[in-house]
Amino acid sequence: AQRVTQPEKLLSVFKGAPVELKCNYSYSGSPELFWYVQYSRQRLQLLLRHISRESIKGFTADLNKGETSFHLKKPFAQEEDSAMYYCALSYSSASKIIFGSGTRLSIRP
Amino acid sequence: NAGVMQNPRHLVRRRGQEARLRCSPMKGHSHVYWYRQLPEEGLKFMVYLQKENIIDESGMPKERFSAEFPKEGPSILRIQQVVRGDSAAYFCASSVGQGDTEAFFGQGTRLTVV
Repeated sequence: AQRVTQPEKLLSVFKGAPVELKCNYSYSGSPELFWYVQYSRQRLQLLLRHISRESIKGFTADLNKGETSFHLKKPFAQEEDSAMYYCALSYSSASKIIFGSGTRLSIRP
Repeated sequence: NAGVMQNPRHLVRRRGQEARLRCSPMKGHSHVYWYRQLPEEGLKFMVYLQKENIIDESGMPKERFSAEFPKEGPSILRIQQVVRGDSAAYFCASSVGQGDTEAFFGQGTRLTVV
């Protein structure tokens, strides 16, 4: 079955430190991978998707098919990065989006 | 474009009552998804609908839960005879197409069963 695993419920780092939020998936085909973010009191919104290969707000994520991972990285954390981050997977045959359990990122000043 | 609108934002129901959650997708979006978020847990897929069709309801409990997305009007998630375990945040998302397009989320409805 398709699954998204985010092993860390909470990640706390100091401002200016590098950040890596881990995401592993299980799917035998070619998935679409996404990262969604939910800032305090705001709705869930798309941060980035692997197909676009963009850097958004300094964040990047590389799809590693060999390790079935899609870790989210940022070289220097900022306080405004504090939020809940969800890794998600979709596949065109079924169309639904499957989310991981989320990682709460807390940036300490 | 006002974005995905969910109402009510908060809903309190007594055990045994019915809960109706509404979701108006973004203009031009014909695909709607419902997710449930239990405390301290992630988003669990419930159902995926297109206008007048249920495409995937594999995440819906077999009893008491139903969803519709009529030709006119919002999508409705209906929970009959609510129990305490139904207390959760219910999120709706909409998109223009199938799963490889961006889904836009509403702010959610927080259901509390007392």
